[in-house]
Amino acid sequence: ETGVTQSPTHLIKTRGQQVTLRCSSQSGHNTVSWYQQALGQGPQFIFQYYREEENGRGNFPPRFSGLQFPNYSSELNVNALELDDSALYLCASSLTSGAGELFFGEGSRLTVL
Amino acid sequence: GENVEQHPSTLSVQEGDSAVIKCTYSDSASNYFPWYKQELGKGPQLIIDIRSNVGEKKDQRIAVTLNKTAKHFSLHITETQPEDSAVYFCAARGDSGYSTLTFGKGTMLLVSP
Repeated sequence: ETGVTQSPTHLIKTRGQQVTLRCSSQSGHNTVSWYQQALGQGPQFIFQYYREEENGRGNFPPRFSGLQFPNYSSELNVNALELDDSALYLCASSLTSGAGELFFGEGSRLTVL
Repeated sequence: GENVEQHPSTLSVQEGDSAVIKCTYSDSASNYFPWYKQELGKGPQLIIDIRSNVGEKKDQRIAVTLNKTAKHFSLHITETQPEDSAVYFCAARGDSGYSTLTFGKGTMLLVSP
């Protein structure tokens, strides 16, 4: 059974650029959530995808968007990057929406200069 | 929305001592309370969880207690070891139909040999 994998592990962008982060969910899991973890803080919920549809969203602007594919892998896209977007972006998968444990990947560390 | 408070923010113990981390939550509809351990440069790892129909759960040296009336839950680690050193996060999930977790701000546990 493979765990949650994320890519890239680290990346550096400049203000105004766009970034795409990728996630492969744990085998058998159909739900993927994305979280943003600023330095020294707990993870904050961005949004969740269940069977290719966004079915929950936290307090993040529309320039944060996502996709889920038929194999349940997912992408997080952030447009018009701001300095405050610098953070660890975590993907988590669960067996189904609204129930069960959440398993996290190792994250993608984004630095915006 | 849900708000989770966690304390202390840092906790230093000697190897072999016990450690206790406490969290409170605001939403009485929350029904699932996981604890995560995050080591430097890694994603959060689920170590134990408890559901609202249970008051206590143990797994070897780790235990979690839940007081629904007071809306607080605690993590207890006995016989601490240096490898227990990490940041620990509590979280709560409500009855929204999706898997969103609201996290506390974390406790850095340092276990000295």
